[in-house]
Amino acid sequence: KQEVTQIPAALSVPEGENLVLNCSFTDSAIYNLQWFRQDPGKGLTSLLLIQSSQREQTSGRLNASLDKSSGRSTLYIAASQPGDSATYLCAVNEGYSTLTFGKGTMLLVSP
Amino acid sequence: ETGVTQTPRHLVMGMTNKKSLKCEQHLGHNAMYWYKQSAKKPLELMFVYNFKEQTENNSVPSRFSPECPNSSHLFLHLHTLQPEDSALYLCASSQHSGATTDTQYFGPGTRLTVL
Repeated sequence: KQEVTQIPAALSVPEGENLVLNCSFTDSAIYNLQWFRQDPGKGLTSLLLIQSSQREQTSGRLNASLDKSSGRSTLYIAASQPGDSATYLCAVNEGYSTLTFGKGTMLLVSP
Repeated sequence: ETGVTQTPRHLVMGMTNKKSLKCEQHLGHNAMYWYKQSAKKPLELMFVYNFKEQTENNSVPSRFSPECPNSSHLFLHLHTLQPEDSALYLCASSQHSGATTDTQYFGPGTRLTVL
């Protein structure tokens, strides 16, 4: 059974810092990996999707990498801002849109 | 806004009540999903509908009953729930269940409290 682990569980940084969120998964037979953002009391917003054949994806200040063979992904956030404060969720797609999620990393960026 | 709406946003019900959660997507997608998000646990997939047909039931108790009358609407009928069923219930949709580039779009969720 696929298991997804996210480290750290919570992170607090001052504004302007670059930071890395980590995600690991136990079964490398995945279709893709997605990073989502969840604001308190709200649904999930998709940030980046990396297909299994890709190594990384970039969107603005966000960069996600994927090392399928080692079962790892990182989400890099450059020049963090208070508006980046949210919970970040990693999910792997094992086929037919069966997403397995990690518990998330709660990020707080202070002004 | 994501184009996926859910009503109600908050629901408090007793264990003997019957209620329904509603989800509507305005994105022209063909697949819809129900997830459960409990405190300190990962999101759990409950049901998947693809072209109105249920394609996955992830060992969900029968007190949760999904209904998908068309590709734009999804319901979750609730009856005789337990306090441990209290959670955030999220609906999502995607273009097509099964594509490797398929991205799911989530609604804001219904916060359910069972007394």
